[in-house]
Amino acid sequence: GAGVSQTPSNKVTEKGKYVELRCDPISGHTALYWYRQSLGQGPEFLIYFQGTGAADDSGLPNDRFFAVRPEGSVSTLKIQRTERGDSAVYLCASSLTASTGGTLNTEAFFGQGTRLTVV
Amino acid sequence: AQSVAQPEDQVNVAEGNPLTVKCTYSVSGNPYLFWYVQYPNRGLQFLLKYITGDNLVKGSYGFEAEFNKSQTSFHLKKPSALVSDSALYFCAVRDYRDSSYKLIFGSGTRLLVRP
Repeated sequence: GAGVSQTPSNKVTEKGKYVELRCDPISGHTALYWYRQSLGQGPEFLIYFQGTGAADDSGLPNDRFFAVRPEGSVSTLKIQRTERGDSAVYLCASSLTASTGGTLNTEAFFGQGTRLTVV
Repeated sequence: AQSVAQPEDQVNVAEGNPLTVKCTYSVSGNPYLFWYVQYPNRGLQFLLKYITGDNLVKGSYGFEAEFNKSQTSFHLKKPSALVSDSALYFCAVRDYRDSSYKLIFGSGTRLLVRP
């Protein structure tokens, strides 16, 4: 597609339920990132994939959060036993490559996000 | 630890006047610096970046930013503001030695350009 696509755009779920958020990156982009943006805050890093593997998952807040990218394209962020504090906009971004020749020379393109509300 | 500070929650400017949105950063090594803009109900859009070279970088929509290593700043500027520039602006940094390539964002500055 022309840009990063995230579905659904909005998700309302009950506390304790399981949710999946999907990200379809720009075709050919090998690097994929998930961020979380709470109201009035900047995006906070969650996890970074290079290809199929999670190269850095240090931003995942706890073991209720998990993400996969099995074929190196579409990624799914999974949240178990949702809590009201998980309510936020979840942003996905992709880039051609995180690094070429040792320097970061491509910017990340962001999707419109999924607004998750846990009630 | 890497961090970004955007000291102003909101910047107000009249259309046609110059604007500045401030950003300071903290990284252990050399920084890669970025500005993104967020319009209502839309994703973050890339404006410009500093990687190396000339300290003054030019970006989209007439915006520019100046990298100042001694002051650890990367302020966003535009010579003449437009009402359509009203949006939320985020500064972000990455330490070039950070192999995860993640961006650390500031808390954002809302720019309001009045007619």
